[in-house]
Amino acid sequence: EAGVTQFPSHSVIEKGQTVTLRCDPISGHDNLYWYRRVMGKEIKFLLHFVKESKQDESGMPNNRFLAERTGGTYSTLKVQPAELEDSGVYFCASSQEGRADTQYFGPGTRLTVL
Amino acid sequence: GDSVTQMEGPVTLSEEAFLTINCTYTATGYPSLFWYVQYPGEGLQLLLKATKADDKGSNKGFEATYRKETTSFHLEKGSVQVSDSAVYFCALRSGNQFYFGTGTSLTVIP
Repeated sequence: EAGVTQFPSHSVIEKGQTVTLRCDPISGHDNLYWYRRVMGKEIKFLLHFVKESKQDESGMPNNRFLAERTGGTYSTLKVQPAELEDSGVYFCASSQEGRADTQYFGPGTRLTVL
Repeated sequence: GDSVTQMEGPVTLSEEAFLTINCTYTATGYPSLFWYVQYPGEGLQLLLKATKADDKGSNKGFEATYRKETTSFHLEKGSVQVSDSAVYFCALRSGNQFYFGTGTSLTVIP
């Protein structure tokens, strides 16, 4: 069974540009989560989808971040315009319905904003 | 709010040494507690978990006991191997959110 995949693995952009990160969850997992680790600090929750609906987006830092999950399969996280403080590793995770305890994480996308 | 504090690294040990990585938490209610591990170039993997007080999670020789009285969930291993070199994250689950610590980098040298 394929795990959670994320694309790209690395992205380097300049301040003010736009970047879109993609996450493909494990097939059949209704729950999809985005997390972020900034500069060696703790990994922080960004938001949670159940199928294509945003269940909890309390961790989204500001309106420069837009997450979508059209069709309830893969998800994208767009940062527009990117700022220096957005640099970090963005993790995606997925879990089966009712199994929030067991989240499977992807390898992460390392974003560097110059 | 809910949070996790874990010992800072990096930690460097010789093979077969004893490992302890401290983790304490702050939470309302009774969260589930976890240790995740990230090997180089890979995603986070669940190492072990405990869902209630006095539970002991164990896997691959690692252990951690949920201590409600000290709000701790320290990770231990009696004899580390080079292949244990990774970053270890302590975490708690509150609702559908995970709260992670800052991670502790472990390097085991032969």
